[in-house]
Amino acid sequence: DAEITQSPRHKITETGRQVTLACHQTWNHNNMFWYRQDLGHGLRLIHYSYGVQDTNKGEVSDGYSVSRSNTEDLPLTLESAASSQTSVYFCASSGDGYEQYFGPGTRLTVT
Amino acid sequence: RKEVEQDPGPFNVPEGATVAFNCTYSNSASQSFFWYRQDCRKEPKLLMSVYSSGNEDGRFTAQLNRASQYISLLIRDSKLSDSATYLCVVITDKLIFGTGTRLQVFP
Repeated sequence: DAEITQSPRHKITETGRQVTLACHQTWNHNNMFWYRQDLGHGLRLIHYSYGVQDTNKGEVSDGYSVSRSNTEDLPLTLESAASSQTSVYFCASSGDGYEQYFGPGTRLTVT
Repeated sequence: RKEVEQDPGPFNVPEGATVAFNCTYSNSASQSFFWYRQDCRKEPKLLMSVYSSGNEDGRFTAQLNRASQYISLLIRDSKLSDSATYLCVVITDKLIFGTGTRLQVFP
């Protein structure tokens, strides 16, 4: 069965470190998205991609970067982790329609 | 004003009750609407699309009121398993999630 996975599921890191969160989908979807979810804010879009070599900034992109070298993966990098980036991060993908399929999430704590 | 607004709840209802949530949106050019369900500490999953004429899926009914710019979700005969957070999604030139309405169904 097709799926979307994220790793790690939980991560604790220190302020200033670079962190990369992995997202891998086997739906063969062109569109991939990264969100963060915080209490009171709901899901906020960080970056998204509509295909290989395509990346776009979302609503809260400062301090984050992505790259898309193949269809299946969209890793999210925090260049220099800050405590404000403590959050739950969800990756999602979609095909031709609007329905998004979400990964199980990564809980990141920056100390 | 937020682009998409939901009452955070919680809505506490007994099993068997009917409950309804609304979601208001500010952009009259919004094109498509959805309801997602999110269980505690889990990922959101699509519950149903919202069509202009309204649509039903079992115990769930979704409606769109373009004049007043809101969508609604009605759940009939609530089950314990319906306890979750319900997120509305509005699409204009981008996809916007509401912050969610929490439903707790008790025995």
